[in-house]
Amino acid sequence: EAGVAQSPRYKIIEKRQSVAFWCNPISGHATLYWYQQILGQGPKLLIQFQNNGVVDDSQLPKDRFSAERLKGVDSTLKIQPAKLEDSAVYLCASSVLQGSSSTDTQYFGPGTRLTVL
Amino acid sequence: DAKTTQPNSMESNEEEPVHLPCNHSTISGTDYIHWYRQLPSQGPEYVIHGLTSNVNNRMASLAIAEDRKSSTLILHRATLRDAAVYYCILRPKTSYDKVIFGPGTSLSVIP
Repeated sequence: EAGVAQSPRYKIIEKRQSVAFWCNPISGHATLYWYQQILGQGPKLLIQFQNNGVVDDSQLPKDRFSAERLKGVDSTLKIQPAKLEDSAVYLCASSVLQGSSSTDTQYFGPGTRLTVL
Repeated sequence: DAKTTQPNSMESNEEEPVHLPCNHSTISGTDYIHWYRQLPSQGPEYVIHGLTSNVNNRMASLAIAEDRKSSTLILHRATLRDAAVYYCILRPKTSYDKVIFGPGTSLSVIP
């Protein structure tokens, strides 16, 4: 079974530039998550999709971050314009999420390491 | 804020058992306890989860206190490949309660 795919793996940009990350979840997984992980911290949830609908984006800085999941499969996360504090690893995860979430297992991709200069 | 607290770091000798503690004093009756680990330069990976009873799988064992306010992840024989950050998180019953990761425990394994 193929895992969660993310690209690019690394990206270096200057502040005020734009950047986009792509994620392809495990086939058949209804739920997709984007996390931001700053060095030394645990992942922080930015947005959660169930199929192609947003179920939680309360921690997404909507003035600069946007995300979409067209057709309920792959997803893109965009930052426009980037700030220095956006330097982090951006992780995508997916899960089957049927019924109760209590036993749901998330499968993470390798992440995209973003450096903003 | 994370609903769990863990030590920042721990050390273990190779081939010895490791007990990684987690406190979750505000756990609700329907929260499952999940453990993930993150190897260097990789995304987190699922390790184990449980509700009330102790659980075993090929990776680890999970011991849950009778009052469920704490749990312990047990690696029976630590290897160098077990060096990682270990996260203890609570999964709520409803799908709309977000998962909150704390900073986790960084485990070092000494050869």
